[in-house]
Amino acid sequence: DIQMTQSPSSLSASVGDRVSITCRASRSINFYLNWYQQKPGQAPRLLISEATTLESGVPPRFSGSGSGTAFTLTINSLQPEDFATYYCQHDYGNPPYTFGQGTKVEIK
Amino acid sequence: EVQLLESGGGSVQPGGSLRLSCATSGFSFRSYGMAWVRQAPGKGLEWVSVISGSGGVAEYTDSVKGRFTISRDTSKSTLDLQMNSLRADDTAVFYCAKLRREALSGTVDYWGQGTLVTVSS
Repeated sequence: DIQMTQSPSSLSASVGDRVSITCRASRSINFYLNWYQQKPGQAPRLLISEATTLESGVPPRFSGSGSGTAFTLTINSLQPEDFATYYCQHDYGNPPYTFGQGTKVEIK
Repeated sequence: EVQLLESGGGSVQPGGSLRLSCATSGFSFRSYGMAWVRQAPGKGLEWVSVISGSGGVAEYTDSVKGRFTISRDTSKSTLDLQMNSLRADDTAVFYCAKLRREALSGTVDYWGQGTLVTVSS
């Protein structure tokens, strides 16, 4: 199975900051990498698919980059509604389509 | 509008069984794979099981193989998860998930609100 490792596990940031979250796969997954956002008490929401494709309705301050084994989610100019937990997930080959352990973005 | 509504969660003793169901609407059910994803209290997301749009192919994460069975009923547009031999570490919110493709895949574009399964004596 492919293992996904996110860093950091949590971070504190202020409104307006630029934030980056890293996700690493245990082997190459090409560009088959998704990012989800989850707020407390809610189901996750798909933000970015195939490493860089922004989903409909997702603000352009969110962006994704990377390929192979290393990926990054960047949030430019953090907004109050962006404080949440973010998960990466691979969509490569056979299941299980493993998630990273999550990165909690908190208010500084 | 795509809607996924889970039911069947609850409390059960270790070794017991539960059957989760997910009623769907708003999309062509047979055209998309479906999955179950769970989240233990205060923990991250865990991929549990996936089934193709046709229902012909299904896969499970190792920890539930032989205990859980995923199935779908195209006539009713429902997804089920039969869970047997439940253990304390199965305690979680279980999410019904619609996949972006018909085949086995991981990208979830719609999620249900989740149903809580608690395994405790």
